[in-house]
Amino acid sequence: DAGVTQSPTHLIKTRGQQVTLRCSPKSGHDTVSWYQQALGQGPQFIFQYYEEEERQRGNFPDRFSGHQFPNYSSELNVNALLLGDSALYLCASSLADRRQAAFFGQGTRLTVV
Amino acid sequence: AQSVTQLDSHVSVSEGTPVLLRCNYSSSYSPSLFWYVQHPNKGLQLLLKYTSAATLVKGINGFEAEFKKSETSFHLTKPSAHMSDAAEYFCVVSDTGFQKLVFGTGTRLLVSP
Repeated sequence: DAGVTQSPTHLIKTRGQQVTLRCSPKSGHDTVSWYQQALGQGPQFIFQYYEEEERQRGNFPDRFSGHQFPNYSSELNVNALLLGDSALYLCASSLADRRQAAFFGQGTRLTVV
Repeated sequence: AQSVTQLDSHVSVSEGTPVLLRCNYSSSYSPSLFWYVQHPNKGLQLLLKYTSAATLVKGINGFEAEFKKSETSFHLTKPSAHMSDAAEYFCVVSDTGFQKLVFGTGTRLLVSP
């Protein structure tokens, strides 16, 4: 059983560019959440997708957007990249029940230069 | 809003000695609490979870945590540290409703021979 898979593993982009990160959830999971982890900090919640809709959003600007597909996979898009967007982006999948644990992918390391 | 406070940014132990990582939480509801571990340049791995069943929760790799409502604590322990336990540990509370995870700032566990 494959766990949560993310692609790519590493990415280097230039300020002002746009980036798309991808996530395939663990088999059987229907909810995907995205987190940003800056160096030396704990992950911060970006948003969560359930039934192809954004269900909850953290304190991130509209430059951050996402999508969930019918097969539950998800994309995170970031427009107009800033140097401060450099971070590890983590995808978590779960069932739609807060008592269930979320399972995380290995993350995508984004570097903005 | 729910939050967690990890009381130590770094904990150093010798191999074979007990481990104690401290976490206090703040929640207006019956919380779901988790401990995750992150090895360098890796994603997050679930160690254990508390979801209002038994207050003493056993996890993987010999770790356990005790939920104490009167003290609003959820400390992580292990009887005997192993070199492979060296990593960053995050105490996490699940927000109400849709399972937004709120992370503590992390505790770095250092294990010396």
